Amino acid sequence: EPEVTQTPSHQVTQMGQEVILRCVPISNHLYFYWYRQILGQKVEFLVSFYNNEISEKSEIFDDQFSVERPDGSNFTLKIRSTKLEDSAMYFCASSEEGGLEAFFGQGTRLTVV
Amino acid sequence: GNSVTQMEGPVTLSEEAFLTINCTYTATGYPSLFWYVQYPGEGLQLLLKATKADDKGSNKGFEATYRKETTSFHLEKGSVQVSDSAVYFCALINPPNTGFQKLVFGTGTRLLVSP
Repeated sequence: EPEVTQTPSHQVTQMGQEVILRCVPISNHLYFYWYRQILGQKVEFLVSFYNNEISEKSEIFDDQFSVERPDGSNFTLKIRSTKLEDSAMYFCASSEEGGLEAFFGQGTRLTVV
Repeated sequence: GNSVTQMEGPVTLSEEAFLTINCTYTATGYPSLFWYVQYPGEGLQLLLKATKADDKGSNKGFEATYRKETTSFHLEKGSVQVSDSAVYFCALINPPNTGFQKLVFGTGTRLLVSP
């Protein structure tokens, strides 16, 4: 069964460092998303991406964040200068054209120290 | 704005007990409603969904009915198993006016089932 895969599963980084979280969406999907969940809080939408551009982004997704689809398979989330409050579980998801179901990866736990 | 409210956990049950996890929503129009489940160490998986009022979503013995009059989508299971221990997330999508679907999640409810 096709699945969304994320790497790494856990990343620890020092405050101020850049991190790149990687995702391989399902191959025939066209819409890509990043969500995050700060421990004990809601899963929050960050950004959606379609046709090589951002479709929508939340207030959380400020200039420190960027997304890219560098090749035909990967979808990345970059945080330029991490802050302590960026510590969270980050989920990648993808969906097909017009599909209601979003398929999620297992998440990357980011810890900023 | 759109929001989802779930009962706080953890919910602790013995095997074969009846499960209810409450979920209510606030949304404009007629959203589609979902329950996602996260087993330990895994990602979010769609458990069930309902796209219009009075629809019942069901999967793996779990059920939820879309109640527009009470803006609710409570998750139920008649007899839980230890393997059902997980975090359950209620979520909605606004009417799909555009191609992408932005999910709005509740906080999640942890279910712990003991033998």
